[in-house]
Amino acid sequence: GENVEQHPSTLSVQEGDSAVIKCTYSDSASNYFPWYKQELGKRPQLIIDIRSNVGEKKDQRIAVTLNKTAKHFSLHITETQPEDSAVYFCAARENTGTASKLTFGTGTRLQVTL
Amino acid sequence: KAGVTQTPRYLIKTRGQQVTLSCSPISGHRSVSWYQQTPGQGLQFLFEYFSETQRNKGNFPGRFSGRQFSNSRSEMNVSTLELGDSALYLCASSPVRTLMNTEAFFGQGTRLTVV
Repeated sequence: GENVEQHPSTLSVQEGDSAVIKCTYSDSASNYFPWYKQELGKRPQLIIDIRSNVGEKKDQRIAVTLNKTAKHFSLHITETQPEDSAVYFCAARENTGTASKLTFGTGTRLQVTL
Repeated sequence: KAGVTQTPRYLIKTRGQQVTLSCSPISGHRSVSWYQQTPGQGLQFLFEYFSETQRNKGNFPGRFSGRQFSNSRSEMNVSTLELGDSALYLCASSPVRTLMNTEAFFGQGTRLTVV
C-alpha cells in the first residue's frame, strides 16, 4: 500500500518568510496529491492539490511542486502570515476509478511568529 | 450547499461499550471515507464506501465496521471500545467521477473519549 512521509514535523518561521514542507510517497500509481490545512479544533480543509500530469501549481501565496520521478512533492508558502499557523497534511491517492482513499503524511505544525 | 455533517460532535463512552457514529455527505456525493485522527498517528484511513459497498479498508481490527445507506449517509461502529480508540473520527465525502480524482471534503468530526 501507499506510504507517505512528511517533513518537518514542526516548522517555525518569522512573518513574511517562506515555509516549505516536503512529502515523499511510495506508490508510483498515486496520481493525486492534495494538501490540507487544519487549524486547532477545526476540520482539515483543502488548500491546494496537484495531479500527476502537472509539475507545479500556484494559488496566490501557495504553490505545490511534484516530482514524479523522485516521488516527492512540496508545499511552498510565501510571505507567511500569522493566520497561516496551523497543521498541514500532505496526502496521496491512487486512482482506482472510484476510490477515495487518501494516505496522509503525519502532519507539519507551522508556527508563524511576529 | 450544506457541508459534510457528522453526529454526534462529542461522545464519552466506557471501555467495553460500543458506539455508532454518523456521517451525512454533501448532497450528490456518493463516496464516503472515514479516518481516525490521533496526536501520535495523524490521519489514519479506516474505510471507504461507495454505492453502499465497502471499496477500501485500512489496517484496523474487525471491531471497526461501517456501512452506507442508499442515500449515501454512512455510519461507523466500534465495538468493545478500548482506551486507545479515543480519537477524532473524521468523515470525508467526494463526488467521485470515474477515472478522475476529486477532492475530499471533511466533516467537523466526532471526538470520542473512552474512559
